[in-house]
Amino acid sequence: DAGITQSPRHKVTETGTPVTLRCHQTENHRYMYWYRQDPGHGLRLIHYSYGVKDTDKGEVSDGYSVSRSKTEDFLLTLESATSSQTSVYFCAISPNLDLADGYTFGSGTRLTVV
Amino acid sequence: AQSVAQPEDQVNVAEGNPLTVKCTYSVSGNPYLFWYVQYPNRGLQFLLKYITGDNLVKGSYGFEAEFNKSQTSFHLKKPSALVSDSALYFCAVRRGSGTYKYIFGTGTRLKVLA
Repeated sequence: DAGITQSPRHKVTETGTPVTLRCHQTENHRYMYWYRQDPGHGLRLIHYSYGVKDTDKGEVSDGYSVSRSKTEDFLLTLESATSSQTSVYFCAISPNLDLADGYTFGSGTRLTVV
Repeated sequence: AQSVAQPEDQVNVAEGNPLTVKCTYSVSGNPYLFWYVQYPNRGLQFLLKYITGDNLVKGSYGFEAEFNKSQTSFHLKKPSALVSDSALYFCAVRRGSGTYKYIFGTGTRLKVLA
């Protein structure tokens, strides 16, 4: 997915440990989003950012925090991982708030909490 | 309540036959409607959108979708399915005016049989 990369692609971690996922973009888009994808739920918004150091909560933000110190990087941290946070995490970017152009998604991070 | 429904978890269609993937929505205001496709181990890719104008919108890979305001539907269609169309399809809607967040459907897995 051109212009947006997520790392790591796969991670296995133990319950109770902190985990940080990284989203990096080269499109200079202002808006960045973290979603989780789970069967039967589609995609659910965790947090989003509308500029450097400007972030806000989505619909499933409990247990997650984010930071955006540079336009190109948006970090998602699981403060103390739980098995319910086993999921596939997607980062998305958009150039405008209106979303009329849709999102560009990264390839995802598959996180397993054991 | 604002919502998006994809009533079919899976759709099977023979190669060369027309396909339809259904989506209905309930949001306030004028909706922005989108279809995304997800191939295995990949992020979601934008297929097409309806913002305003002609109710029939054309998108990538020969897909099209029809916006039906009275039925609050936005079904995805293709006249002749290909095996390579097999993927997971998501409908998404931007909530009415005053917000900028998507609601995603739960996804429909399309399987095109050779």
